[in-house]
Formats: sequence, C-alpha cells, structure tokens
Amino acid sequence: NAGVTQTPKFRILKIGQSMTLQCTQDMNHNYMYWYRQDPGMGLKLIYYSVGAGITDKGEVPNGYNVSRSTTEDFPLRLELAAPSQTSVYFCASSLSETQYFGPGTRLLVL
Amino acid sequence: KNEVEQSPQNLTAQEGEFITINCSYSVGISALHWLQQHPGGGIVSLFMLSSGKKKHGRLIATINIQEKHSSLHITASHPRDSAVYICAAAGPAQGGSEKLVFGKGTKLTVNP
Repeated sequence: NAGVTQTPKFRILKIGQSMTLQCTQDMNHNYMYWYRQDPGMGLKLIYYSVGAGITDKGEVPNGYNVSRSTTEDFPLRLELAAPSQTSVYFCASSLSETQYFGPGTRLLVL
Repeated sequence: KNEVEQSPQNLTAQEGEFITINCSYSVGISALHWLQQHPGGGIVSLFMLSSGKKKHGRLIATINIQEKHSSLHITASHPRDSAVYICAAAGPAQGGSEKLVFGKGTKLTVNP
C-alpha cells in the first residue's frame, strides 16, 4: 500500500492563480481531511469528508473548495491564490481513530 | 487563548534522559492524540487516548480527563527521538468522524 499520497510536493503560484492539490489514499478509508500548517502554528483543519459525495467545512475553509467523487481521492482547490495561503498542506485519512498523513505539499504564493 | 496548549515549546536533552511533554486542553474532547512530526516534515500518529495510559516501546502517554491534561513521556531518550511532538484534542464531527484541534508542538532535540 502506498498509503496517502499528495501531489505536487512543492509549487509556486502567482497571486490570483488557481490550482488543485491532489490527495489519494489506497486504504479504503471513509474519512479524509485537509490541514494547513503555518510556521509556529498548529495544524488547522480546512475541510473534511466522511465519504464519497459528503464534505464539510473545518476551522479555516475560506478561499478553498473540495470535492469527493470517489473514496480514494479528495482534491483541494484554490481558486484565487493569495499570499495568506502560503503554507504546507497535509492530507490525512482514517478508518476510525488513527489518522494517516500524506507527505505534504509546500505552497508559496507570490 | 489556544484551546490546546503544549509545554515546553522547545526541549533539549542528553541521550538517555527521561523526557516529559505536557498538553492541556480547554475543550470537551472524545479523545486526545499524540503525533510526531519528523525533521523532514512527515507526520505519524503515536497514540490515541480517551482515558488512562498507553505504552508503546519507550513512549508512554497518559491522560487525566478531570484535569484536562495529558503527558507524553519518552524513556531512555535517543537522538532519533528528535522531532516535533504534537498534541491534538479530538471532538465529534459529522458522520462519526472527528475534528482535531492541534497544539503548536514541542520541538525535542536529543543530543548524543
């Protein structure tokens, strides 16, 4: 099993550009999560999903969108990138209690 | 005030020392998680606790629900334990999932 994979590893965006951060898991987990981690701050939940077709907002959803068309994939969309979205983004999945994290995507918005 | 507070923020130890990292939370929780973030950035779940104590190798996690406090202990610390240790309070979310509120982490450096 590859576990949770994320692409890209690193990306530089210009202000106003859009992009999709990809997240895929091969463990057949129902629950998937997107977090952002800013320097010196704790991880914060952006969006989560409890199954295909079901998503809900987390603590910091503004500026992001998600979809969950399959159990495996949970992409995170940034429509109009802003410098405040410079961060490291982690995707995670779980079956019940333990969350399994992807390696992260480092995003720089200039 | 952050809902989950960790102390200390930074900790330097000599190899072999006993390490304690503390976590206090102000929210009602269904569980308390401890995670490890490697120097390369990867995050791994260590423990999930809802009561009492759990042990895995040299790592021990305890929780006191009444006092809203948890501790992570590392016995016989080793340089490979150097990492950021993160505490997260779990609350219920939609469909049986859980939402985690994270502390800012404790950066541990173990010197040989």
